[in-house]
Amino acid sequence: EVQLVESGGDFVQPGGSLRLSCAVSEFINWVTWVRQDPGKGLEWVAEINGDGSEQNYMDSVKGRFTVSRDNAKNLLFLQMNSLRAEDTAVYYCARDVYFGKFDIWGQGTLVTVSS
Amino acid sequence: DVVMTQTPLSLSVTPGQPASMSCKSSQSLLRADGQTHVFWYLQKPGQSPKLLIYEGSRRFSGVPDRFSGSGSGTDFTLKISRVEAEDVGVYYCMQGMYLKTFGQGTKLEI
Repeated sequence: EVQLVESGGDFVQPGGSLRLSCAVSEFINWVTWVRQDPGKGLEWVAEINGDGSEQNYMDSVKGRFTVSRDNAKNLLFLQMNSLRAEDTAVYYCARDVYFGKFDIWGQGTLVTVSS
Repeated sequence: DVVMTQTPLSLSVTPGQPASMSCKSSQSLLRADGQTHVFWYLQKPGQSPKLLIYEGSRRFSGVPDRFSGSGSGTDFTLKISRVEAEDVGVYYCMQGMYLKTFGQGTKLEI
């Protein structure tokens, strides 16, 4: 069964940077990142296709976050720059089978942005 | 941007009784080919979200048949025919037609 495991979450000051990783057990075409402010709802963040040639982002992270992948290592990344307090959340990666059919999710990694 | 509005925000149900929750989108989610990219996810306490319903009405593998999804255009509904204790959690609708947008969630309590 395909598995996704996130890592890289940490405590960071506002304006700082962090890179999250999503390790996958085998090649996955589209992968999405979803976040959840603790105690609040889910928020779609970004997505990337199989060869990395197409990425999409939610408006509030455009220009600050970059999604990428290294298929040789079965790794996906979410590079987060200019972090803000409102980016504090658990970040999940998930397989997107088709137009939002997220059938397999990782366990999440916590990012805390605070001074 | 497409906004997904869920109601109610919380729901308290007696085991064995039915439950129903609504999701309304700010734009039609019906494609010309008849497909509807609307999904329902359940997040149980302390767990990652799990897929329940895809394409508006199709049950994902392993999801009990007491769960059903319906709707088209801008109005969608998730129904549980007989609620069980294990159904407790937050239910989210999501659209996948214009990038992705989640609703605020409906919290189901027993």
